[in-house]
Amino acid sequence: FTLTQPHSVSESPGKTVTISCTRDSGNIDSYYVQWSQQRPGGSPTTVIYQDSLRPSGVADRFSGSIDSSSNSASLTISGLRTEDEADYYCQSYDSNTWVFGGGTKLTVL
Amino acid sequence: QVQLMQSGAEVTKPGASIRVSCRASGYTFTGFFLYWVRQAPGQGLEWMGRLNPTSGDTTYAQRFQGRVSMTRDTSISTAYMDLSGLRSDDTAVYYCATEMDYNAYWGQGTRVTVSS
Repeated sequence: FTLTQPHSVSESPGKTVTISCTRDSGNIDSYYVQWSQQRPGGSPTTVIYQDSLRPSGVADRFSGSIDSSSNSASLTISGLRTEDEADYYCQSYDSNTWVFGGGTKLTVL
Repeated sequence: QVQLMQSGAEVTKPGASIRVSCRASGYTFTGFFLYWVRQAPGQGLEWMGRLNPTSGDTTYAQRFQGRVSMTRDTSISTAYMDLSGLRSDDTAVYYCATEMDYNAYWGQGTRVTVSS
């Protein structure tokens, strides 16, 4: 299966943005979905795991959800800051393998 | 805290092989799978495979079958990823990662450049 994300999104500081991740076959709730943030030149870091949990140290401005009706996962970032500008990847599982979405470039302008 | 420290950047020629290492600290190395992911310039993340540090068992992405080998040395909590038959399109940053309760921790990445 594949996970499809928008190529890019942009929003202003202080606003809220939602990034979608749509699974094309099989159920989105079959396996957990994770979201990673990758700033330019950096390694990915997890911002959401197990669909909606935040690792220690991740701001509560980040939230994740699953929508079975649209077979998609979403990452919502509220109170946008310039430091949130990064690439965001959703990731799920196909048996023993990791499956990544293509990534979404978030621009905060 | 969980840390994954990778070996340094490499420049190599087409047809050669590379070995990237990943030294784990801050957790029980044999308690969690170790994954390898790569990212070509300007591209997204690509899963290469995973290693069970306890048993040494591996699962590889089909496109790397026959070219990749993932091994470990539990005495020094280090995993290795060997990739052979390098081509220019293997130029990428290679990451190791581990996962605890589906929360992933990543190494700093190793840049590999394949150029004649």
